[in-house]
Amino acid sequence: DIQMTQSPSSLSASVGDRVTITCRASQGISDYLAWFQQKPGKAPKSLIYAASSLQTGVPSKFSGSGSGTDFTLTINSLQPEDFATYYCQQYKSFPLTFGGGTKVEVK
Amino acid sequence: EVQLLESGGGLVQPGGSLRLSCEASGFTFRSYAMSWVRQAPGKGLEWVSIIDDSGGDTQYTDSVKGRFTISRDNSKNTLYLQMNGLRAEDTAVYYCAKGSGARYPQSRNFDYWGQGTLVTVSS
Repeated sequence: DIQMTQSPSSLSASVGDRVTITCRASQGISDYLAWFQQKPGKAPKSLIYAASSLQTGVPSKFSGSGSGTDFTLTINSLQPEDFATYYCQQYKSFPLTFGGGTKVEVK
Repeated sequence: EVQLLESGGGLVQPGGSLRLSCEASGFTFRSYAMSWVRQAPGKGLEWVSIIDDSGGDTQYTDSVKGRFTISRDNSKNTLYLQMNGLRAEDTAVYYCAKGSGARYPQSRNFDYWGQGTLVTVSS
């Protein structure tokens, strides 16, 4: 199985900050990497697929990069609605696996 | 507008069974792969199972193989998850998720999720 490791597991930030979350795969996954946002009590929302492509309707303040084993999600100009937990997921091979999540909290 | 509406969750005793349903609308259901993903209370996301657009190909995570069966009825725009031999560790919110296409890799890329249904396995 491909293990997905996110860091940090949590971070504190202020409105207007730029935030970067990293995700590392235990083996190469090319660009078969997605990012999701989840707010408490809500379903996950798709943000990015193919490592760097924005899902329809996702604002451009979200961006993704990386290939192979190392990936990043960057959120520019953090707004109150961006405080949430973020997950990466590989879809290179079965079983599909998620990172443990990064909780972005208000400083 | 894409909508996915799960139902069928509830409280069940260990060893019991449940069938979850996910009714889809707002897209051509028969043209997309579909998955189930679960989330135990306070934990992260765990992929459970996937079915291709026709229903002819399925995959499962190891912990549910032989106990869970994914299926779909394209005439009813509905995805199912039959869960037998339920265990306490199956307690979770179960989400259905739409693949962004019918074939790899898009089939495994989730673009829309339902709101989830809670399954609690307890005596």
